[in-house]
Amino acid sequence: KAGVTQTPRYLIKTRGQQVTLSCSPISGHRSVSWYQQTPGQGLQFLFEYFSETQRNKGNFPGRFSGRQFSNSRSEMNVSTLELGDSALYLCASSLGLAGVTDTQYFGPGTRLTVL
Amino acid sequence: LAKTTQPISMDSYEGQEVNITCSHNNIATNDYITWYQQFPSQGPRFIIQGYKTKVTNEVASLFIPADRKSSTLSLPRVSLSDTAVYYCLVGAFYNQGGKLIFGQGTELSVKP
Repeated sequence: KAGVTQTPRYLIKTRGQQVTLSCSPISGHRSVSWYQQTPGQGLQFLFEYFSETQRNKGNFPGRFSGRQFSNSRSEMNVSTLELGDSALYLCASSLGLAGVTDTQYFGPGTRLTVL
Repeated sequence: LAKTTQPISMDSYEGQEVNITCSHNNIATNDYITWYQQFPSQGPRFIIQGYKTKVTNEVASLFIPADRKSSTLSLPRVSLSDTAVYYCLVGAFYNQGGKLIFGQGTELSVKP
C-alpha cells in the first residue's frame, strides 16, 4: 500500500508570493491534516479536512487555507508569504473515524523556504 | 488533554537496548499511547501504539504499567540508523479536537 505523498518536496519562494502544496493520502483514508514544523515552534497543527470539509482548525492566520477534493487529495495554500513561513509542511492521513485508535500517517513533507 | 513529559535527549551505542520513558499523569480512561519516530526533514513515522500491559511489533515494544501514568518505548539492539527524535503522544486524534499534539520529543543519538 502506497504511503502519503507530498509534492513538491522542496520549494523556494520570495516574500509576498503565494504557494500551493499538494498531499495525496493513503488509499481509503478520508481525513487529511496539515502541520507546520519549525525549529522554534515544533510541530503545530494547521487544519484537518474530512469528506471535502474543513473539520478542525488550528491557530494560524487566514493566509493559510486548504481544500480537499472528492478523491481525498488535499491542497494547502499560503498567500502573501512571510519569512516566518519558512518551514517543513507535513501532511498526515487517517481513516477519519471517531474511534480512539485512528492512527495518523505522515508524508515526507514539503520544505518551503521564503527569501 | 494529557500532557506528556519525556527526556530531551539520550545517548546509546550500537547493539544496546534503549528504553525511553514518557510520563502522562493525566491520561484519560480511553486514551491510547502512540509513539512516532522522526528523522531530520522527514515526516514522523508511526512506531507503535498501545493501551495497557505490553505491545510488541517488528520494530519496538511498548510497556505500560497498570496505572498507565507512564509508558516505556523499548528499542532492541539499536543501530546508527535509529538516531532520531522520538515522540510520545497520548489521546485519541478526535478526543484532542481533531489534532495531534506533539511535545518536544526525545532526541536519541546512537554512537558506534
